[in-house]
Amino acid sequence: EDQVTQSPEALRLQEGESSSLNCSYTVSGLRGLFWYRQDPGKGPEFLFTLYSAGEEKEKERLKATLTKKESFLHITAPKPEDSATYLCAVQALVRNTGNQFYFGTGTSLTVIP
Amino acid sequence: ETGVTQTPRHLVMGMTNKKSLKCEQHLGHNAMYWYKQSAKKPLELMFVYSLEERVENNSVPSRFSPECPNSSHLFLHLHTLQPEDSALYLCASSRVRGAEPYEQYFGPGTRLTVT
Repeated sequence: EDQVTQSPEALRLQEGESSSLNCSYTVSGLRGLFWYRQDPGKGPEFLFTLYSAGEEKEKERLKATLTKKESFLHITAPKPEDSATYLCAVQALVRNTGNQFYFGTGTSLTVIP
Repeated sequence: ETGVTQTPRHLVMGMTNKKSLKCEQHLGHNAMYWYKQSAKKPLELMFVYSLEERVENNSVPSRFSPECPNSSHLFLHLHTLQPEDSALYLCASSRVRGAEPYEQYFGPGTRLTVT
């Protein structure tokens, strides 16, 4: 069964304490992997698209990487304003169905001052 | 207005009411989506309008009815809802380019409570 799993479910970090969030997927026909940030009461905000294994993208304190089975979102020296839920999504081309999107349940990140 | 907008932001309705959610995208995209977001669950795709074609999720109850009059506007008509339909309803848009991957841009959502 095609699916996306994110871990951990929740993560608490001290300000400046670097860590990584994981997104593993069992999807055939991968077209792209996306990371989003969602603040409470708001819609997801697009962060990165990764297209193939070995690719890396960076934005401020965030760096996303991709392998054939998982993606990591590395957070370097986080600040309290990085607190949010981070969602991972995979786009796959499914035979007889076309493009499908599979979302994970997210990692809730809290950065403590 | 920029990005994707949704109205209303909050809605409380009884089980016998009829209401509609509205979404508008200002990004020049050619596909629009309705998602349902419930706590501890992945986003659930409800409907897709891509290149003016509607792609349905057959598991969505008929009490939800989408309408897409043009590429910039999307509605979700609601009637005879159940308490389990209470959730955050998100609208999204994207630019579809054949088989290439494409990110989706989301609106702020409508928090729906069914009493």
